[in-house]
Amino acid sequence: GENVEQHPSTLSVQEGDSAVIKCTYSDSASNYFPWYKQELGKRPQLIIDIRSNVGEKKDQRIAVTLNKTAKHFSLHITETQPEDSAVYFCAAKAGGSARQLTFGSGTQLTVLP
Amino acid sequence: NAGVTQTPKFQVLKTGQSMTLQCAQDMNHEYMSWYRQDPGMGLRLIHYSVGAGITDQGEVPNGYNVSRSTTEDFPLRLLSAAPSQTSVYFCASSYEGHRETQYFGPGTRLLVL
Repeated sequence: GENVEQHPSTLSVQEGDSAVIKCTYSDSASNYFPWYKQELGKRPQLIIDIRSNVGEKKDQRIAVTLNKTAKHFSLHITETQPEDSAVYFCAAKAGGSARQLTFGSGTQLTVLP
Repeated sequence: NAGVTQTPKFQVLKTGQSMTLQCAQDMNHEYMSWYRQDPGMGLRLIHYSVGAGITDQGEVPNGYNVSRSTTEDFPLRLLSAAPSQTSVYFCASSYEGHRETQYFGPGTRLLVL
């Protein structure tokens, strides 16, 4: 089955700096890669996703890049703000599979004021 | 719409007790899943369902049973609770046409003593 590894497990940045979180996946059939944000005590919520026919996707301060050859994808957050502090999860899913997402282990991002 | 709801929010069990975690959604979503979240391990899929009457195992199904008699409800049963099942449990749903996007419930925190 799919295996998703996520690094780093914790990340601290100064407000206004950029943050990058990286994930690798094992199943070359995976073609959908979402990122979820989970604030303390809350449910995970989708913030951005990318499909394997696209190399990069942006949404305001958030971007995701995908390298299918190397089987890794990354989340980039620019101009970080204190409200970006949360746990971020990457995930992967194989196309045509009824099975749901395989998640990474999460990154605790702390934005220091 | 209430979205995805879960009850109870918090539960304490003794080893060997049984209980059912409730999950309901009012969005007419075809797909429903159960995940458990443990520190440093991300979200792991327990069981999932692609429609009423159809369920399948995920990554960590042992010790859990599910059924899907209606589109709206997807209960998770612990037959004989063990301390290793102490975790936060999230139910999620998604719909045909965008099955990958998981809408999560608020979670149930379970402590097994």
